[in-house]
Amino acid sequence: DVKVTQSSRYLVKRTGEKVFLECVQDMDHENMFWYRQDPGLGLRLIYFSYDVKMKEKGDIPEGYSVSREKKERFSLILESASTNQTSMYLCASSLNRGGKTQYFGPGTRLLVL
Amino acid sequence: GESVGLHLPTLSVQEGDNSIINCAYSNSASDYFIWYKQESGKGPQFIIDIRSNMDKRQGQRVTVLLNKTVKHLSLQIAATQPGDSAVYFCAENMMNTGFQKLVFGTGTRLLVSP
Repeated sequence: DVKVTQSSRYLVKRTGEKVFLECVQDMDHENMFWYRQDPGLGLRLIYFSYDVKMKEKGDIPEGYSVSREKKERFSLILESASTNQTSMYLCASSLNRGGKTQYFGPGTRLLVL
Repeated sequence: GESVGLHLPTLSVQEGDNSIINCAYSNSASDYFIWYKQESGKGPQFIIDIRSNMDKRQGQRVTVLLNKTVKHLSLQIAATQPGDSAVYFCAENMMNTGFQKLVFGTGTRLLVSP
């Protein structure tokens, strides 16, 4: 089974703090994704990566950056957290460019005060 | 079906009933569709998928139907159990600038009463 883990289940941060969300997958997947999930808006893609050190903007990249230094690890960075970034953050991975099924981690619920 | 606004549509059923959850997708060029289940406080879990060259696929207690004419997808759960209570949402796969991209619906909440 694919295992995608996220470093924290719950985080509380203050406005202006730099926030790191970590995601690790153990199935040697090439693609990794970061989404945020908000009530009524579904999952929205922030960034994705199809290879080490590669990244692509998703639909809502503003206020975020990412890092993929190792194949199994994909980090989401909030450079200066704001209250409108309070959300559930979900990491996912898929096999490769042709792999369409994404497998998700348990999510990190972030509260920015 | 798909939700508009902040409130998820909810389907309430009795244990043992069959459930049908609907989804309208947007792009006639989408070639692959997935249903996910998300329990409270957890990440989405893959249930079943279907390619656009099929109109039906069956899994264990679940069936997905695809109607490309009206761009409609449905998930049927047989003999629904309390453990099936969750939010269910569909996703359609599109090619976007050379990458596979999933576009997700906002979900339907399924409530199963014992």
